[in-house]
Amino acid sequence: GAVVSQHPSRVICKSGTSVKIECRSLDFQATTMFWYRQFPKQSLMLMATSNEGSKATYEQGVEKDKFLINHASLTLSTLTVTSAHPEDSSFYICSARDRVLTELFFGSGTQLSVL
Amino acid sequence: QQPVQSPQAVILREGEDAVINCSSSKALYSVHWYRQKHGEAPVFLMILLKGGEQKGHEKISASFNEKKQQSSLYLTASQLSYSGTYFCGTESLSSVLRFGAGTRLTVKP
Repeated sequence: GAVVSQHPSRVICKSGTSVKIECRSLDFQATTMFWYRQFPKQSLMLMATSNEGSKATYEQGVEKDKFLINHASLTLSTLTVTSAHPEDSSFYICSARDRVLTELFFGSGTQLSVL
Repeated sequence: QQPVQSPQAVILREGEDAVINCSSSKALYSVHWYRQKHGEAPVFLMILLKGGEQKGHEKISASFNEKKQQSSLYLTASQLSYSGTYFCGTESLSSVLRFGAGTRLTVKP
């Protein structure tokens, strides 16, 4: 099946620094990628929809300037958590698919811990 | 906009059956089911695209009632490997997938 690669898998950073998370579709072109956030024992909360070549669509309540999304190519989307604070600590996971109404392929997730 | 899942948690003995329900207040184009183990990414189980569609995957099957905007996941003769958190994801006109709160399934020997 299709593979989505996400890096890094775990990152620990100091408060105030920025962290970039990469999401790559390895064997298909993903015109749309999705970024989710998951707190322990909770659901996958959609943060934004990343569209290749255009601006991301953010969910209500998600700060655009805080969570910068770039979808520069059909196989790569990045999420940058700017000026991270301890409350940004969470599990971030990306997903992609090659066309609508089909399954999502998930990356392995990134556990972010902000000290 | 998130679908509502029930129950929140269920504990089974090996070999027992379970049903997980998912309902939405919006018209649905598809329903997805995923299983997630602790610390891992969700794994795709199945997708239902048409009203009334039922799909099966070994002893795990699902139905989709488009009119009622509901879907159910059926786990029969559960195995230890079925333990995990099950999420339904619903897709409406926007083609964005949103997930329910999850159902934590524990299968004991």
